[in-house]
Amino acid sequence: DVKVTQSSRYLVKRTGEKVFLECVQDMDHENMFWYRQDPGLGLRLIYFSYDVKMKEKGDIPEGYSVSREKKERFSLILESASTNQTSMYLCASSFSPQRKYFGPGTRLTVL
Amino acid sequence: QKEVEQDPGPLSVPEGAIVSLNCTYSNSAFQYFMWYRQYSRKGPELLMYTYSSGNKEDGRFTAQVDKSSKYISLFIRDSQPSDSATYLCAMTMKTSYDKVIFGPGTSLSVIP
Repeated sequence: DVKVTQSSRYLVKRTGEKVFLECVQDMDHENMFWYRQDPGLGLRLIYFSYDVKMKEKGDIPEGYSVSREKKERFSLILESASTNQTSMYLCASSFSPQRKYFGPGTRLTVL
Repeated sequence: QKEVEQDPGPLSVPEGAIVSLNCTYSNSAFQYFMWYRQYSRKGPELLMYTYSSGNKEDGRFTAQVDKSSKYISLFIRDSQPSDSATYLCAMTMKTSYDKVIFGPGTSLSVIP
């Protein structure tokens, strides 16, 4: 059974803190993604990676960075958390554009 | 105009009803059309996808694409309480991993 896991289900942080969200997949996929999901806005792509140490900006990269040191692990970093980054964060991996495997999500609240 | 539009609902139907979920889109270059299901507090999971126009059936689910009208539908026959979830449409051009555009989702409740 394929699996994408995320380090935390719920996270509460204070404004200005550095936040790390981690994602691990066990499917040997080359492509990994970070999305945020907000009501009425759908899924918006923050960053994606198509190989180890490779990264590409998505539609809303401002305020975020990523790291991919190993094929199975893709981390999202909020350099200085702000209240407008309160959201559901979803990690995904894929081997084809049509099928993405999503993790359970991390609900981040920034106070 | 948003690239993909979807009625957010919520949609509430009795068990056994036929459900129709729809999305419209503006980019005629889209060729792959997907439907994801997302249960509460879970990540989305792919239900089915179609390429270009036409219908695709999988058990109680039928996906339909009308490229001339830029309109896609997901039909659920004999709906069950376990179908209660948010349904996200998504679409992409042929080979772009990153350019998958998701609709905002329609929340469906199937009442026993």
